[in-house]
Amino acid sequence: DAGVTQSPTHLIKTRGQQVTLRCSPKSGHDTVSWYQQALGQGPQFIFQYYEEEERQRGNFPDRFSGHQFPNYSSELNVNALLLGDSALYLCASSLAGPFGTDTQYFGPGTRLTVL
Amino acid sequence: GQQVMQIPQYQHVQEGEDFTTYCNSSTTLSNIQWYKQRPGGHPVFLIQLVKSGEVKKQKRLTFQFGEAKKNSSLHITATQTTDVGTYFCAGNQRSQGNLIFGKGTKLSVKP
Repeated sequence: DAGVTQSPTHLIKTRGQQVTLRCSPKSGHDTVSWYQQALGQGPQFIFQYYEEEERQRGNFPDRFSGHQFPNYSSELNVNALLLGDSALYLCASSLAGPFGTDTQYFGPGTRLTVL
Repeated sequence: GQQVMQIPQYQHVQEGEDFTTYCNSSTTLSNIQWYKQRPGGHPVFLIQLVKSGEVKKQKRLTFQFGEAKKNSSLHITATQTTDVGTYFCAGNQRSQGNLIFGKGTKLSVKP
């Protein structure tokens, strides 16, 4: 039973570029949440997808967008990259009802460096 | 908005000593979850507490959820070098799907 997988593992981009990160949830899970973890900080919630729709969003600008596919996998897109977007991007999956409060299982993350 | 504070930020202990990290939320929580993140790794789920006053144990780890469901603690008895890492609490409010993480407590254990 595969856990949460993310790709790529590492990514280096320059300011102004766009990036797409991918996540496959744990088998049987239907909800995907994305978090940004800056160095030395706790993960910060970006948004959550359920039934292919953004169900909740944290305090992140519109440059951050996402998508969930019918197979529950998800993408995180970031446009017009800034130096401050450098971070570990974590995907977490859960099996949730309407409010998504079930235990979240994290993937290994994508380390994004913006130069 | 909702905030989750965690103290201490760092804790250095001698192997065999006990360790405790504390978590406080500005609002009442539906549940609280604890995660451990090893250096260079990702958060790994440890436990979820749901009931007021709940206490759960996992071997040398004891987790507590406050009566008011606004605070929580993690206590490790007789630390080992394998306990090294950052311990995060993450709160969840009713009807909210996202987790609000504390900043974590980084534990180092001297052999």
